[in-house]
Amino acid sequence: SQQGEEDPQALSIQEGENATMNCSYKTSINNLQWYRQNSGRGLVHLILIRSNEREKHSGRLRVTLDTSKKSSSLLITASRAADTASYFCATDHFGNEKLTFGTGTRLTIIP
Amino acid sequence: EADIYQTPRYLVIGTGKKITLECSQTMGHDKMYWYQQDPGMELHLIHYSYGVNSTEKGDLSSESTVSRIRTEHFPLTLESARPSHTSQYLCASRKGKYGYTFGSGTRLTVV
Repeated sequence: SQQGEEDPQALSIQEGENATMNCSYKTSINNLQWYRQNSGRGLVHLILIRSNEREKHSGRLRVTLDTSKKSSSLLITASRAADTASYFCATDHFGNEKLTFGTGTRLTIIP
Repeated sequence: EADIYQTPRYLVIGTGKKITLECSQTMGHDKMYWYQQDPGMELHLIHYSYGVNSTEKGDLSSESTVSRIRTEHFPLTLESARPSHTSQYLCASRKGKYGYTFGSGTRLTVV
């Protein structure tokens, strides 16, 4: 299976702290994407990083990609209560039109 | 805000009933997908389509069927619902290699 794994499975932090989530995958990728899912809703696309990129920023989000280690991390700075959600990484593999989703990290921000 | 719509949002139905979950998108995306999400959060691809008259089974075996007669419409049908079909069903669409756009999901309960 190409499915990625995310670490940790669950994370609780105080509001204002930074949250870091990690994603590992098994085979070469075209790009890697991060999604957020609020409870009971669909997933929302956050950011896409291509295989030739090492770091990308979007607002309070910072994504890194290490293709030699087949891993990525998502950093959310200055967390807010509204960041409470599940976060998924998804990998886009060459020759495959389907994204492969990770197992998700459940993030809880404590006010 | 959403350009991809799923109906119904919630559905409770008796065993043996035939049901169709609707998914429509207004973005002209050629690729569409159905995922089943279990309570542990993991997403399983059950069907996908690359365009009109194209349908493929996903990674997870499913007793459901799909059709793609129009670009914007990708309904999923269960001929005879069973309690094991109780789950959240997520529809998504995609253009090229960009990120997925997800619907809000249908939470199905079969009693």
